[in-house]
Amino acid sequence: NAGVMQNPRHLVRRRGQEARLRCSPMKGHSHVYWYRQLPEEGLKFMVYLQKENIIDESGMPKERFSAEFPKEGPSILRIQQVVRGDSAAYFCASSPGLSGAYEQYFGPGTRLTVT
Amino acid sequence: QKEVEQNSGPLSVPEGAIASLNCTYSDRGSQSFFWYRQYSGKSPELIMSIYSNGDKEDGRFTAQLNKASQYVSLLIRDSQPSDSATYLCAVGGAGGFKTIFGAGTRLFVKA
Repeated sequence: NAGVMQNPRHLVRRRGQEARLRCSPMKGHSHVYWYRQLPEEGLKFMVYLQKENIIDESGMPKERFSAEFPKEGPSILRIQQVVRGDSAAYFCASSPGLSGAYEQYFGPGTRLTVT
Repeated sequence: QKEVEQNSGPLSVPEGAIASLNCTYSDRGSQSFFWYRQYSGKSPELIMSIYSNGDKEDGRFTAQLNKASQYVSLLIRDSQPSDSATYLCAVGGAGGFKTIFGAGTRLFVKA
């Protein structure tokens, strides 16, 4: 049973370009979460999605960042016009979406470097 | 602002000793509690979840929850050098799905 998959694992973008990060949840999981982690810092919640719905995006920067989880295909975290401060590890996690089963399982992450 | 607090460490213990990691949280409505291990450059790995007051044991790991004190801990018995990592405490609020992570405690187990 495949775990959470993320791609690409490493992404280099120049300032002003767009970054698109993909996440496929574990089989049977309907909830997806995105987190950002700066070096030597903790995980910061960004957004929580179910299929075709954003449930909580309270951690997302108001500009340049967006997320989606379409009916078909992976969840996408999109960062427009990247700046050096966007350089970080971005982790996706998934959970079953069942009441009482709140454990989140993480993918390997995408390391974004903005030059 | 809902918060999860951990001592950043580093916590250093000799091999074979018990490592004790602590975490406090601010939201009294929290329902689910988790411990993750994160090795340098890797993603977090779930090692324990606990939902009810008391102790929960899994191998060398014991999670302890005290909702009245808003306190959760992780004990690692017979610590091994391979346990050296950052341990993240995570707390789910009412409804459970959104989870807030603490900044983590760095553990070093000396051989």
